[in-house]
Amino acid sequence: EVQLVESGGGLVQPGRSLKLSCLASGFTFSNYGMNWIRQAPGKGLEWVASISSSSSYIYYADTVKGRFTISRDNAKNTLYLQMTSLRSEDTALYYCARHAWSDYWGQGVMVTVSS
Amino acid sequence: DIQMTQSPASLSASLGETVTIECRASEDIYSNLAWYQQKPGNSPQLLIYDANSLADGVPSRFSGSGSGTQYSLKINSLQSEDVASYFCQQYNNYPNTFGAGTKLELK
Repeated sequence: EVQLVESGGGLVQPGRSLKLSCLASGFTFSNYGMNWIRQAPGKGLEWVASISSSSSYIYYADTVKGRFTISRDNAKNTLYLQMTSLRSEDTALYYCARHAWSDYWGQGVMVTVSS
Repeated sequence: DIQMTQSPASLSASLGETVTIECRASEDIYSNLAWYQQKPGNSPQLLIYDANSLADGVPSRFSGSGSGTQYSLKINSLQSEDVASYFCQQYNNYPNTFGAGTKLELK
């Protein structure tokens, strides 16, 4: 069974940093590109970043470019999102998802940016 | 960036009715389009990929169609468990972009 489990969220002050993790199981992690997608409270879905299976290709939304870094450790079956210079508008539920068309999603991890 | 215009924003329909949701891309996305269903409190679930391919485990009353810039999701014989929000997403170009969503309710 494919499982994606996010962790690392919480309450953080504006300007601070946070690192999210997504532990994958039930499939060969190193064969798949992965995505981070977020959803602000009561709002729609916003694609954040994607990384190819071997980390050769990485893409970011303009809203996070230069502040967020997506990475992965295929030996640990784990996807990461390092978030720096956090802003109130980054407050959202962050999902990791597998593959170009996001066929599997995690349960999400909440990030709240507030003083 | 490719803009995805999804309509309608909300929809009220009766059990057994056929429902259609549409997405228009600002440029050709070559059928690189997915549809997701999200029920309150849950993660989104993939329904359709490549514009018309049904994801594993998704009931056959869901179908996708379209090409170029115009795409649609059809739900035949609406069931109570179909009450949810629906989103389209293009993955032809980065940044990937989502439609604003359609909230489907029962009449």
